[in-house]
Amino acid sequence: ETGVTQTPRHLVMGMTNKKSLKCEQHLGHNAMYWYKQSAKKPLELMFVYSLEERVENNSVPSRFSPECPNSSHLFLHLHTLQPEDSALYLCASSQEERRGEKLFFGSGTQLSVL
Amino acid sequence: AQKITQTQPGMFVQEKEAVTLDCTYDTSDPSYGLFWYKQPSSGEMIFLIYQGSYDQQNATEGRYSLNFQKARKSANLVISASQLGDSAMYFCAMRERRAGGTSYGKLTFGQGTILTVHP
Repeated sequence: ETGVTQTPRHLVMGMTNKKSLKCEQHLGHNAMYWYKQSAKKPLELMFVYSLEERVENNSVPSRFSPECPNSSHLFLHLHTLQPEDSALYLCASSQEERRGEKLFFGSGTQLSVL
Repeated sequence: AQKITQTQPGMFVQEKEAVTLDCTYDTSDPSYGLFWYKQPSSGEMIFLIYQGSYDQQNATEGRYSLNFQKARKSANLVISASQLGDSAMYFCAMRERRAGGTSYGKLTFGQGTILTVHP
């Protein structure tokens, strides 16, 4: 069982819907991330939270809104998405400030925007 | 220019044979880390192996080893004694260090290589 849990596993939504992706890590890490994996493109970093503070936002459109209420939970709120936003959204966590620290990923949410 | 290049979209290997997955990288940072992840059809990214830029020896983790050639900027993954369960997408990734701090887990990924193990 992975230490990073994402729900839901699959999500289909219309362009006018509002939905949220949830991520929970049980590893005691101090940093959490959202990555986007589109077909035929490398994984792209979207957001980074370190100690519950957003430290990076990689020019992500405002229709994606992250929230990190505590060090164990991370949300990605979605509204008025476009079909090109269909992708696998991966959450990850790590314990920062340790050289070579690896990221632990969840299984992802496969999002389809109709 | 791409920072991580995986030139093999797909690779095939016979069960119990060894296979090498290629990865080249580009960075001007003297301190960096290289990772390999496996992504089965379930979607989860599974960490396999890590190599630091200052590590003197090639990293090994069980059946996985990393052929690190710093001067050539390559970090190829070698899987020995392939198993059917090794069939998956494999990603090479690099983490560069920001001046004065960490890179907050900002990994740059390659396009990936799909490995198929035949019985």
